[in-house]
Amino acid sequence: DAMVIQNPRYQVTQFGKPVTLSCSQTLNHNVMYWYQQKSSQAPKLLFHYYDKDFNNEADTPDNFQSRRPNTSFCFLDIRSPGLGDAAMYLCATSREPLGSRNEQYFGPGTRLTVT
Amino acid sequence: RKEVEQDPGPFNVPEGATVAFNCTYSNSASQSFFWYRQDCRKEPKLLMSVYSSGNEDGRFTAQLNRASQYISLLIRDSKLSDSATYLCVVNQMDSSYKLIFGSGTRLLVRP
Repeated sequence: DAMVIQNPRYQVTQFGKPVTLSCSQTLNHNVMYWYQQKSSQAPKLLFHYYDKDFNNEADTPDNFQSRRPNTSFCFLDIRSPGLGDAAMYLCATSREPLGSRNEQYFGPGTRLTVT
Repeated sequence: RKEVEQDPGPFNVPEGATVAFNCTYSNSASQSFFWYRQDCRKEPKLLMSVYSSGNEDGRFTAQLNRASQYISLLIRDSKLSDSATYLCVVNQMDSSYKLIFGSGTRLLVRP
């Protein structure tokens, strides 16, 4: 019973070719997050949506954009992938803001390769 | 200084051993603390939340020391299946939406 689904699990794109990663959730959670995780590093938050409100991290490059057309779906668009963007991209959800100790649920991730 | 610091390991222990990981955090106003487990090339999964009074879940015990700003995880009677990376995670106070992850401590349990 997958709760946070990410497609595709593996994505290969060419340098500079736009790519979109998708995330869907069956939990009806209000908050959705996108993280980037490189090998042996901590997951790094790129941005999140609280309902329809978009919150970008200050150090997230402009190359990364996101869309949330409805509660269930959230997309990560990389406009011009560079070699340094190769990473695991993790989508996560939480019912409410984390200050109330709500658990954050992660999807299985999409591993992006840039050639 | 990193906001959340962990010894990367690896900790290489025999089955049945007790192993402990520590994690330090820099923001004294941090409120929520967690340990996540991440298997190789998989997503992080919540192992346990860490409460001020300490908490135990089977073979796993988590402790929080606010005065010294560190969190610990103790694993008793290690199993081969405990081999993974353990991520220390702290809720950043200036944004209740944001979790700050440590880089993780890698545990290898050998037969």
